[in-house]
Amino acid sequence: EAQVTQNPRYLITVTGKKLTVTCSQNMNHEYMSWYRQDPGLGLRQIYYSMNVEVTDKGDVPEGYKVSRKEKRNFPLILESPSPNQTSLYFCASSPYQGYDNEQFFGPGTRLTVL
Amino acid sequence: QKEVEQNSGPLSVPEGAIASLNCTYSDRGSQSFFWYRQYSGKSPELIMFIYSNGDKEDGRFTAQLNKASQYVSLLIRDSQPSDSATYLCAATGGSQGNLIFGKGTKLSVKP
Repeated sequence: EAQVTQNPRYLITVTGKKLTVTCSQNMNHEYMSWYRQDPGLGLRQIYYSMNVEVTDKGDVPEGYKVSRKEKRNFPLILESPSPNQTSLYFCASSPYQGYDNEQFFGPGTRLTVL
Repeated sequence: QKEVEQNSGPLSVPEGAIASLNCTYSDRGSQSFFWYRQYSGKSPELIMFIYSNGDKEDGRFTAQLNKASQYVSLLIRDSQPSDSATYLCAATGGSQGNLIFGKGTKLSVKP
């Protein structure tokens, strides 16, 4: 089944404890992206990657890191999480970054930072 | 700052009626526009996209685009309670063509 998977789905952690949220897609997509979704603020892009080893900042990159060592994986790293990073996170992928491309979303990761 | 604006709602319509969802965008360079549906706590799923002026129909859904007015809409005919969700409008923006999302309109279809 073609899909984007994220792990973990739910995470409660404490301030300053490094964490990684994994994202994997099995559709051989070139483009991958991370979003966070907060009430009243909508979906905001954190980082995106056009292809392996090519990543760039989105609108809200502060406090996050990403890497794209393999085409299928695009982990999101929070080196020192803070309470303002409590949010619902979505990973998405599309075949390429073009103007008619659907982005496929993962199931989401609900993160709480205490 | 490139923006996509939507009325947050909630928009309430009776079952069987036409629901009309609207969206405006600020970047005249945006080329494609997407409508996603998102059920509470779930991930967004694509309903349809449009990139030419005019109407595009897919089953009970019709997307309308007016680039001169920078306006996109989604019509849902014969609305069903299962259509109750938040509808996200997105536009391509910037040199990389990333998607810029509106904050969503919550639709409630009453039986």
